Amino acid sequence: GAGVSQSPRYKVAKRGQDVALRCDPISGHVSLFWYQQALGQGPEFLTYFQNEAQLDKSGLPSDRFFAERPEGSVSTLKIQRTQQEDSAVYLCASSLNRDRAYEQYFGPGTRLTVT
Amino acid sequence: GENVEQHPSTLSVQEGDSAVIKCTYSDSASNYFPWYKQELGKGPQLIIDIRSNVGEKKDQRIAVTLNKTAKHFSLHITETQPEDSAVYFCAASKGGTYKYIFGTGTRLKVLA
Repeated sequence: GAGVSQSPRYKVAKRGQDVALRCDPISGHVSLFWYQQALGQGPEFLTYFQNEAQLDKSGLPSDRFFAERPEGSVSTLKIQRTQQEDSAVYLCASSLNRDRAYEQYFGPGTRLTVT
Repeated sequence: GENVEQHPSTLSVQEGDSAVIKCTYSDSASNYFPWYKQELGKGPQLIIDIRSNVGEKKDQRIAVTLNKTAKHFSLHITETQPEDSAVYFCAASKGGTYKYIFGTGTRLKVLA
């Protein structure tokens, strides 16, 4: 079946612009996660949704970062007034249900470059 | 804070040889340890995982061992093939939660 998909795959933004990154989780997956992966590093947790509820946003680096999942399926990560330090790959992962939240399946990521 | 250390950062092996990647973690409450393979331009792919009530798990050429007392776990790949070349990440759950703390990755090169 289809895996996690993300769009766009690449995004170039000028400093100060707003960006929106989309994630389509695996159909039926209740849990959804966003991660940030800097070059040469492992992914770092940003936020977690269970259905439409954002249960944990402790990893969001600043109030310029905002995530939503209004219908419990597709999710959007929005970054306002982008800064150069926001340049990274943004990964989305989904998991079947709360009890199996540990097994997370990742999408291909969106590479954001802020110039 | 909690962290996961991963070694080595790069590893080159001849095709057919074995590869071992080691990780240590600091959070004694961690109870789930996945391993991911990431190829260039792709997202991490779950290849094997282990829970804290198990000491070893095997899946064909891949095995993971866990030593809870020493807080370390290892990935073993036997009979390596060129297609095993990728970056491998270990991770540990933060406490008993869904949050992963990832290691810094190991770039594995399998030389034909």
